[in-house]
Amino acid sequence: GIQVEQSPPDLILQEGANSTLRCNFSDSVNNLQWFHQNPWGQLINLFYIPSGTKQNGRLSATTVATERYSLLYISSSQTTDSGVYFCAVRYGQNFVFGPGTRLSVLP
Amino acid sequence: KAGVTQTPRYLIKTRGQQVTLSCSPISGHRSVSWYQQTPGQGLQFLFEYFSETQRNKGNFPGRFSGRQFSNSRSEMNVSTLELGDSALYLCASSLEGDRKAFFGQGTRLTVV
Repeated sequence: GIQVEQSPPDLILQEGANSTLRCNFSDSVNNLQWFHQNPWGQLINLFYIPSGTKQNGRLSATTVATERYSLLYISSSQTTDSGVYFCAVRYGQNFVFGPGTRLSVLP
Repeated sequence: KAGVTQTPRYLIKTRGQQVTLSCSPISGHRSVSWYQQTPGQGLQFLFEYFSETQRNKGNFPGRFSGRQFSNSRSEMNVSTLELGDSALYLCASSLEGDRKAFFGQGTRLTVV
């Protein structure tokens, strides 16, 4: 099956700093999505991004499907950005999640 | 538009019992998928339903089953509960299976 890797596994930032999260996948996929899981467990869909670049406020994402990776950029981080960030790929009929990046933003 | 609603939010069950979890998708969404999240295994796909038909199933034992009704609401059932079934169970809905997915708040199941 497909392998989905995320790096780094953990990230600690000072408020206001920028960061880049990476997602690598081992095979061609139908789509890719980024999620933020808040401390209460809810998964919030950040981007549906099978290819190209999208921006939403302080967040942006880029997927290079031919090279099998996606990047999530967080600029001017805030404490509310803390949580776990997952990428998930649609592989056949399955949705496969990466292990996540745990982000802690300190005030 | 109301989001994805999962009930109940929390559940405590005893080993050997069975449990049924419910998921109401966003209005108009026909695809509902279920996931199990545990600290050790992360987020794992259970199954996906589309228009009342199971389209795909993850690598879980037959004790895990589900169904989808004509109004797209879905239920999942776990029989003969084991301690290892303690997890956060999440459901997601989308217009079609490969479109943007929206998740509910999850049901946290504890098996004692």
